[in-house]
Amino acid sequence: AQSVTQLGSHVSVSEGALVLLRCNYSSSVPPYLFWYVQYPNQGLQLLLKYTSAATLVKGINGFEAEFKKSETSFHLTKPSAHMSDAAEYFCAVSGRDDKIIFGKGTRLHILP
Amino acid sequence: DAGVIQSPRHEVTEMGQEVTLRCKPISGHNSLFWYRQTMMRGLELLIYFNNNVPIDDSGMPEDRFSAKMPNASFSTLKIQPSEPRDSAVYFCASSLGRTNTGELFFGEGSRLTVL
Repeated sequence: AQSVTQLGSHVSVSEGALVLLRCNYSSSVPPYLFWYVQYPNQGLQLLLKYTSAATLVKGINGFEAEFKKSETSFHLTKPSAHMSDAAEYFCAVSGRDDKIIFGKGTRLHILP
Repeated sequence: DAGVIQSPRHEVTEMGQEVTLRCKPISGHNSLFWYRQTMMRGLELLIYFNNNVPIDDSGMPEDRFSAKMPNASFSTLKIQPSEPRDSAVYFCASSLGRTNTGELFFGEGSRLTVL
């Protein structure tokens, strides 16, 4: 069975500062890992995905995430936050079936 | 290109009434998923279909919930009878090929309020 834990339901950063959203996973098989973003009143959109190729994955809007097997982590980062990054971010995991299990989400607030 | 289309966007109903949520996946996608989102429980997978066949419905909360996919372009999620605790945003998502290496495309959701 797979699961993800997102640390912090709310994160606030200043505009221009580093964004770090934490995700730890549990999986009985080598996982596939994802980050999705949800803007208000919209569905989720894929930011990036790890599918056992390079451990550092680059996504849209300047986001990237690094798969660390030893730490069972897949944290999301962006060097410089922008006001438009304010949204809810979901980490997700999948195993060998087609089920994608989402974390509870982290709401990112950008302070001017 | 049209994305995943869900209807209705908003539904307010009274306890005990039947609710039917509808989804049209992206043309050509062969997997369809129903999720429920609440503040308390986050995003929960209810059921998913592959090539119109239900593969895993272990997330369906109870017998009051049922889902169908009569063809590749249409799916329904029905709640009968509805209860206040069913209030949530219900998302439909579709994908092409194997989801775990691909991408889920989400609709804008159906916000259900049961009074």
